[in-house]
Amino acid sequence: QKEVEQNSGPLSVPEGAIASLNCTYSDRGSQSFFWYRQYSGKSPELIMSIYSNGDKEDGRFTAQLNKASQYVSLLIRDSQPSDSATYLCAVSPPGDSWGKLQFGAGTQVVVTP
Amino acid sequence: DTGVSQDPRHKITKRGQNVTFRCDPISEHNRLYWYRQTLGQGPEFLTYFQNEAQLEKSRLLSDRFSAERPKGSFSTLEIQRTEQGDSAMYLCAFSGPSTDTQYFGPGTRLTVL
Repeated sequence: QKEVEQNSGPLSVPEGAIASLNCTYSDRGSQSFFWYRQYSGKSPELIMSIYSNGDKEDGRFTAQLNKASQYVSLLIRDSQPSDSATYLCAVSPPGDSWGKLQFGAGTQVVVTP
Repeated sequence: DTGVSQDPRHKITKRGQNVTFRCDPISEHNRLYWYRQTLGQGPEFLTYFQNEAQLEKSRLLSDRFSAERPKGSFSTLEIQRTEQGDSAMYLCAFSGPSTDTQYFGPGTRLTVL
């Protein structure tokens, strides 16, 4: 079992709709969770981080964390064609939140006009 | 601008050759990380430094790979006797002294023929 799992997609979303991305992780003691966006051929760019159970909103993005279920999600509201990218979920394993991140394989999102 | 530059941005080499990549934070970021990303996968952790000390190395970092961070500023990643399986994007990331959030540089794309 991979430490961090995501649906690979592609997730096709009409422009203006909500895109919902899911991520599960295996290390129960993980404390830090991140979402990155990666355009084709480019490096990952941070969207947001989340540390506590519940929702965290930043503009059109909302991250949701449920540590009991070992589940973190990302909602993209009012999806735009520029949101078409691969979204990477990353988790700090327990014991060293300053160290490595474990990444999922990413979910490809395609926003259709 | 993430504050990290990587050089070169692209490298094509023949199997068996040695290659060296460089990562330069614009300011002296406390922790510096190296990851490798192959097509369709998320970044895989290779190693990380806190200042000049190399604190963790992945099992992925075989004897052919070595990384340094002299004086705690820029870092180099060397691959000796390259193999076709080394073809990937090599990503450098950093985090500041009081955060575990990692920001990525633009990456170096390596192609081994």
